[in-house]
Amino acid sequence: DADVTQTPRNRITKTGKRIMLECSQTKGHDRMYWYRQDPGLGLRLIYYSFDVKDINKGEISDGYSVSRQAQAKFSLSLESAIPNQTALYFCATSDAAPLAPYQETQYFGPGTRLLVL
Amino acid sequence: LAKTTQPISMDSYEGQEVNITCSHNNIATNDYITWYQQFPSQGPRFIIQGYKTKVTNEVASLFIPADRKSSTLSLPRVSLSDTAVYYCLVGRRGNTGKLIFGQGTTLQVKP
Repeated sequence: DADVTQTPRNRITKTGKRIMLECSQTKGHDRMYWYRQDPGLGLRLIYYSFDVKDINKGEISDGYSVSRQAQAKFSLSLESAIPNQTALYFCATSDAAPLAPYQETQYFGPGTRLLVL
Repeated sequence: LAKTTQPISMDSYEGQEVNITCSHNNIATNDYITWYQQFPSQGPRFIIQGYKTKVTNEVASLFIPADRKSSTLSLPRVSLSDTAVYYCLVGRRGNTGKLIFGQGTTLQVKP
């Protein structure tokens, strides 16, 4: 979805390096998420944010940190990259419909392919 | 969160109707059923969502029996471009941020 962009699209780094993956959205959504995907596996949630002042850990947050700089921007950092963090990383957004009972739709970016040597 | 079970892979041919069934025996009263599609090297894309009976949109139909312990995604007359991974998710608002993507079903459409 062109409304959710991720930079860089591909990145190669070395063990121990600090790197940042960035996500921007023009959908005006309050909620943003970071997932990782490994070959043959589904997506796993790393962190999520329901608004600028709200940050929550997902199921695999160890080794990662995030920053919600603005409603439109949500960055994921690997403080000291390790090889098992090699994966495809996706950012997603969703809109909060206060009165809607259903599970709201998440809109995903194109992904960042990260290789840690 | 209700766990889902779906076939790991399916094969089909162009022009056929494809039905992918997902089991969710522990679905809660307030849970909705959502399907996403993912093409290689792209993020998942929402296809359809439903609560009960049948839902249809321009892409697919979703059939949910009365007991809601399973659901079937139906893709009419598939083409090669429908080759993708299809994920079934179960949850409700309030669980947002905790969508559980399983392994999904890899659909291979052959000419």
